[in-house]
Amino acid sequence: GDSVTQMEGPVTLSEEAFLTINCTYTATGYPSLFWYVQYPGEGLQLLLKATKADDKGSNKGFEATYRKETTSFHLEKGSVQVSDSAVYFCALSDKGLNKFYFGSGTKLNVKP
Amino acid sequence: DAGVIQSPRHEVTEMGQEVTLRCKPISGHDYLFWYRQTMMRGLELLIYFNNNVPIDDSGMPEDRFSAKMPNASFSTLKIQPSEPRDSAVYFCASSPTGTSGDDTQYFGPGTRLTVL
Repeated sequence: GDSVTQMEGPVTLSEEAFLTINCTYTATGYPSLFWYVQYPGEGLQLLLKATKADDKGSNKGFEATYRKETTSFHLEKGSVQVSDSAVYFCALSDKGLNKFYFGSGTKLNVKP
Repeated sequence: DAGVIQSPRHEVTEMGQEVTLRCKPISGHDYLFWYRQTMMRGLELLIYFNNNVPIDDSGMPEDRFSAKMPNASFSTLKIQPSEPRDSAVYFCASSPTGTSGDDTQYFGPGTRLTVL
């Protein structure tokens, strides 16, 4: 069945460091891929998405490219800020069933 | 748009009591999802609806849980009787999908349930 695997956290970085959070997926069809962010005490917010192979999603300095050949959708940011501290979830959408499959989440801590 | 609205935001109850969580999806969205989030189990899909009809309730933990969607703008998740292990944050999400082709899910702020 469909599934998402993302790197375990927590990830601790200093401000202005480069961020990579790895995400790989297994899917039988051609899913859409998403990154969501969850700040403490809040719901999940869409960060970026990509709907087909080689698409790049971007938002607020974050980027991720849909790589079909490696079944990956790694999240990157060139220079993190303290305000980026949150939990990040990778997810795929099974378009046939209209269901999401979420990774386990990666907690990011950014120190000043 | 106001986004997905959930109420209450916090609920504290005693074991054995009935709990009802409420959700108003984004207007025009065809799909509605109920999730539960705990530290131990992460984010779990409980049930989802398409055009008010339950499509998959395989994630509902047991018969104590029930969900309804009487119309396109309202859904409830009920737990009766509640148990301490039901303590979690419950999220509602909606998705336009349908003719728009947009399968993004939009989440509400969640209801934090504590069962004593």
